[in-house]
Amino acid sequence: GAVVSQHPSWVICKSGTSVKIECRSLDFQATTMFWYRQFPKQSLMLMATSNEGSKATYEQGVEKDKFLINHASLTLSTLTVTSAHPEDSSFYICSASISRRGGGTEAFFGQGTRLTVV
Amino acid sequence: DAKTTQPNSMESNEEEPVHLPCNHSTISGTDYIHWYRQLPSQGPEYVIHGLTSNVNNRMASLAIAEDRKSSTLILHRATLRDAAVYYCILRDRWYGGSQGNLIFGKGTKLSVKP
Repeated sequence: GAVVSQHPSWVICKSGTSVKIECRSLDFQATTMFWYRQFPKQSLMLMATSNEGSKATYEQGVEKDKFLINHASLTLSTLTVTSAHPEDSSFYICSASISRRGGGTEAFFGQGTRLTVV
Repeated sequence: DAKTTQPNSMESNEEEPVHLPCNHSTISGTDYIHWYRQLPSQGPEYVIHGLTSNVNNRMASLAIAEDRKSSTLILHRATLRDAAVYYCILRDRWYGGSQGNLIFGKGTKLSVKP
């Protein structure tokens, strides 16, 4: 089946620095990818929709200047957390969807990135 | 998207069947019922989906009520590796592309006892 690979799996950074997270679709092309954030004991919350070759679409309350998204190719989207602060510590997850014959879509998720800002 | 309601948590014994319920009384005629699960510290993974008829795959079975207002995910023999949060999500069949994201509720946390 389709695979979405996310890197790194975990990262620890100092407050004020920037961190880049990569999301790759390994065996299919994804014109659209999604970035989620998940705080401990909570569900996934959509942050933004990454569109290949165009600007990302951010959900309400997500700062576009802080969470920079680049989708330069059909298989790679990156999320950069700029000037990270401890409150940005979270589990970040990317996904891409494939439409199925007969209707419906199936979403594939990366392994997630555990970001800890100290 | 129509809302789903799931119990917060369930417990099961290893090697016994597990029935995870989901209510979706406001489901529309074109909504697919999707189930995903999230193991600890991992991204969610697809389990199964269906529209009207019951569905089976190597992971689980999906039983859909005749009026489609509820469904049940069935794990035939629970293993310790099935301990996860299970999400029941409705998606319109025409959603795709930039609308292909999933909206996650709180899901059901399944614990499996040896």
